[in-house]
Amino acid sequence: DQQVKQNSPSLSVQEGRISILNCDYTNSMFDYFLWYKKYPAEGPTFLISISSIKDKNEDGRFTVFLNKSAKHLSLHIVPSQPGDSAVYFCAANLQGAQKLVFGQGTRLTINP
Amino acid sequence: EPEVTQTPSHQVTQMGQEVILRCVPISNHLYFYWYRQILGQKVEFLVSFYNNEISEKSEIFDDQFSVERPDGSNFTLKIRSTKLEDSAMYFCASSGTSGTQETQYFGPGTRLLVL
Repeated sequence: DQQVKQNSPSLSVQEGRISILNCDYTNSMFDYFLWYKKYPAEGPTFLISISSIKDKNEDGRFTVFLNKSAKHLSLHIVPSQPGDSAVYFCAANLQGAQKLVFGQGTRLTINP
Repeated sequence: EPEVTQTPSHQVTQMGQEVILRCVPISNHLYFYWYRQILGQKVEFLVSFYNNEISEKSEIFDDQFSVERPDGSNFTLKIRSTKLEDSAMYFCASSGTSGTQETQYFGPGTRLLVL
């Protein structure tokens, strides 16, 4: 089941710079997308979401962009801080369904 | 800030034994979920629960699994006869009122190890 894919297993960014995490999906029936952050031995923590009727949603340092024609979404974090070091998951919700379909995750490391 | 809680944080059991994982969802939420993450793999949906019944389940959620809301606050996942491959992190989640196009909030997880 590869409906949601995060092709970069890891990403390393300098503190203060922009982090860009990417996610691709295959099912055009996904209508709601979420980003979660996960520290080791903890549950996923919700960061930001976007409905398929929008192409951008912003919350503080976090912005999510959705390109429906490319079936691609990205999470921008600016400026990146050491506390942002974690695994980031994108997840998608099928229209009318309750389950979330997760990507494999990208490990983000912010270097001082 | 309200949060989802789960107990125990770790559980070790012998193959074939029954386990019950417990969750307290966020108090005004109506939809409840279980997910699991096998080490090194994706987070996978198991089941959703609304109005005292299962509303959606995955192929993983076979007859060995059951869920229950025994009272007004707890939500449980029971694995009847555990197998080695049930070893995973189990996450409970809850969401508000619509179940779709809605944020699901996750608990810290229970690490289950089946020996």
